[in-house]
Amino acid sequence: NAGVTQTPKFQVLKTGQSMTLQCAQDMNHNSMYWYRQDPGMGLRLIYYSASEGTTDKGEVPNGYNVSRLNKREFSLRLESAAPSQTSVYFCASSELAIRDTQYFGPGTRLTVL
Amino acid sequence: DQQVKQNSPSLSVQEGRISILNCDYTNSMFDYFLWYKKYPAEGPTFLISISSIKDKNEDGRFTVFLNKSAKHLSLHIVPSQPGDSAVYFCAAKGRYGAGGTSYGKLTFGQGTILTVHP
Repeated sequence: NAGVTQTPKFQVLKTGQSMTLQCAQDMNHNSMYWYRQDPGMGLRLIYYSASEGTTDKGEVPNGYNVSRLNKREFSLRLESAAPSQTSVYFCASSELAIRDTQYFGPGTRLTVL
Repeated sequence: DQQVKQNSPSLSVQEGRISILNCDYTNSMFDYFLWYKKYPAEGPTFLISISSIKDKNEDGRFTVFLNKSAKHLSLHIVPSQPGDSAVYFCAAKGRYGAGGTSYGKLTFGQGTILTVHP
């Protein structure tokens, strides 16, 4: 039972490059989320998808786009990476958005030079 | 605007003693609170939660207390073990669309690093 998986684990980009972070869950959850964690800031929500076919902005959406590819997969795209996007990115999923516990993936550590 | 605050960046306790981690919130529309534990190079894992209709929830060595009038919650770990050494995040959610809270959105505190010494 893999739970929530994320690829890649580590990535180094140059300013202006693009990349997509992949996330998949095998728990048949309806809702999926992308967070970033920065020192002293806790985790902040970037985007979320309450159910397949819907996506909504979170607290810090600027510079990112998302795609809910199907019920299992939710990707996060950086079109033109900036040093301010250096962070650890976590994907999470929950059965439903309201009330249900969110389960997190292991994270992707991204450095933008 | 930090709606959930953990004012202690770190806490050090002796094995076997009680660990108390604190969390304050400002948004009165939060009605569900959670604690997550995070080890280095891993994602956060759910530990325990409490609804605003309760003031205490217990699960083994972990107890969460909620004081709504003070907008304060705390996590007690008794007895503390070296394996409890990790970063602990409190998080809060509100009802759909209420008071500026977003559907299903968790608002996290900054985290507290707990170190339990043998």
